[in-house]
Amino acid sequence: DAKTTQPTSMDCAEGRAANLPCNHSTISGNEYVYWYRQIHSQGPQYIIHGLKNNETNEMASLIITEDRKSSTLILPHATLRDTAVYYCIVRVWSGGSNYKLTFGKGTLLTVNP
Amino acid sequence: NAGVTQTPKFRVLKTGQSMTLLCAQDMNHEYMYWYRQDPGMGLRLIHYSVGEGTTAKGEVPDGYNVSRLKKQNFLLGLESAAPSQTSVYFCASSYSIGLAGGWTGELFFGEGSRLTVL
Repeated sequence: DAKTTQPTSMDCAEGRAANLPCNHSTISGNEYVYWYRQIHSQGPQYIIHGLKNNETNEMASLIITEDRKSSTLILPHATLRDTAVYYCIVRVWSGGSNYKLTFGKGTLLTVNP
Repeated sequence: NAGVTQTPKFRVLKTGQSMTLLCAQDMNHEYMYWYRQDPGMGLRLIHYSVGEGTTAKGEVPDGYNVSRLKKQNFLLGLESAAPSQTSVYFCASSYSIGLAGGWTGELFFGEGSRLTVL
């Protein structure tokens, strides 16, 4: 799996957009970008994933650069409840028998009132 | 629909004692996983299972054993607990490939089991 690089921490004002960057410069053509988050003491929660097109769901938007070497998770209107560690993960979605995800240290996003 | 349930949520052991963590899922998922999380670190995969009766090693399998006798349950055992196994343990489950298009690759996690080994 390709290595990802994320900032250790970020701050965001409540109600503003939170933009979380992720660098995955060694990503290969069949690797997907996944985002999860972990609110303090809870299990990680899936947010969104994408291959090369931008994606949006009810939680967030995922913007992947054209060369796919980096991506940005956007929380359009951050709330205090969005304070969490956000993990960017690159994983092959193959026809094989395992879908193990490797979690790095992620970015601690703190949403301030 | 409870999702993924882990028991117990908290446990304190003495070095050398044994115990079993139980993970149960009610989503009919094929795949199940055990991760551990230590302070300041991400989650590390201990063992996983791609179906009833099958198990495989993850990144940090030493000192742990697992069993998947029933599809809905995945057990993590510590035969002789060591202080280095003090951690928060997370179980997860997911669908397997083969479902109709739209499978997200999402893992569903339990709330964690905090284990302290003295």
